Amino acid sequence: GENVEQHPSTLSVQEGDSAVIKCTYSDSASNYFPWYKQELGKRPQLIIDIRSNVGEKKDQRIAVTLNKTAKHFSLHITETQPEDSAVYFCAASKTGTASKLTFGTGTRLQVTL
Amino acid sequence: GAVVSQHPSWVICKSGTSVKIECRSLDFQATTMFWYRQFPKQSLMLMATSNEGSKATYEQGVEKDKFLINHASLTLSTLTVTSAHPEDSSFYICRVSGANTEAFFGQGTRLTVV
Repeated sequence: GENVEQHPSTLSVQEGDSAVIKCTYSDSASNYFPWYKQELGKRPQLIIDIRSNVGEKKDQRIAVTLNKTAKHFSLHITETQPEDSAVYFCAASKTGTASKLTFGTGTRLQVTL
Repeated sequence: GAVVSQHPSWVICKSGTSVKIECRSLDFQATTMFWYRQFPKQSLMLMATSNEGSKATYEQGVEKDKFLINHASLTLSTLTVTSAHPEDSSFYICRVSGANTEAFFGQGTRLTVV
């Protein structure tokens, strides 16, 4: 089955700096890669996603890049703000948004003032 | 957007009792439901996948007789934790998809077994 690895497990940045979280996946058939933000005790919130036919996608301060050859994808957050502090999960699936997701291990992002 | 409602949001039960968690899709037909479990400071682990009217498909290592899943209608799926023990204490969350919609998470249920 699919295996998704995520690094780092914790990340501390100063407000205004950029944060980068990286994930690798094992199944070359995976074609959908969402990123979720989860605050303590709450449901994961989809913040951005990318499909395998695209190499990069950007939404305001958030961007995701995908390297299919190397089977890795990354989340980039620029101009970080304290409200960006949360746990971030990457995920991968084979058949799109409504299918079974395999999640990464999570990254706890702390944005300090 | 589509709304998924999960209840209860938290529950405390005695060891040996059973707990039922409900997941409802409020404005679309839920053809597939995914149930995840998340231990503190860990990732979401898929427990089982259910399609309306069919038996659930359980992931390896998940006991189907302990975690009973019922998906009898297009708007409701339930997860029953039978004979709960302290090690079953966790955050349980459903993820729901329709035929032509993306998938949405429920609010999650914090289960504490004492």
